[in-house]
Amino acid sequence: ETGVTQTPRHLVMGMTNKKSLKCEQHLGHNAMYWYKQSAKKPLELMFVYNFKEQTENNSVPSRFSPECPNSSHLFLHLHTLQPEDSALYLCASSQERIDEQYFGPGTRLTVT
Amino acid sequence: SQQGEEDPQALSIQEGENATMNCSYKTSINNLQWYRQNSGRGLVHLILIRSNEREKHSGRLRVTLDTSKKSSSLLITASRAADTASYFCATVEIQGAQKLVFGQGTRLTINP
Repeated sequence: ETGVTQTPRHLVMGMTNKKSLKCEQHLGHNAMYWYKQSAKKPLELMFVYNFKEQTENNSVPSRFSPECPNSSHLFLHLHTLQPEDSALYLCASSQERIDEQYFGPGTRLTVT
Repeated sequence: SQQGEEDPQALSIQEGENATMNCSYKTSINNLQWYRQNSGRGLVHLILIRSNEREKHSGRLRVTLDTSKKSSSLLITASRAADTASYFCATVEIQGAQKLVFGQGTRLTINP
């Protein structure tokens, strides 16, 4: 089975909607990450979870709310987003923080 | 803050030629990693080179690291159309949070 899966692959939502992105890793890794990739910008790290504990929040607006119920699953809850939040959201995992990361296919989010 | 910066931003070559991409970074690192991303998809890890290593090979890929110049290069030999993608370098700094910091990437196009 694919190492890191993400659902949905595409999402269109209005600014008043609430939705969630889901990520699952089947690799037995300890760390999981959310990244945002916008056009013409470097990949932006949003959140890091290590052994289910959030260890980093890179000044992400509160309209993005992560949840890590166990070491295999990671969610990103979205509410009252802005059009500028439209981007590709990537989930990744790694065994240790300094190791290579394995990425999911991403969720293409469009906020209308 | 952006750590790795790739050069060139875009590269177009003929199939069969070699492609070289460069990455420069600013601070002392634990390791440097190269990733590939096909359009709109997740990133795929290619090679990790540690700070005490100078060169690494994987199939048609060759990565060098010069810590004195704070730079790395990725060489793809005998390029194929399937190598068309964006290539990113990412670094893990020694000091501070152990997170992967990505550059903006090189867009590589292999013309048949």
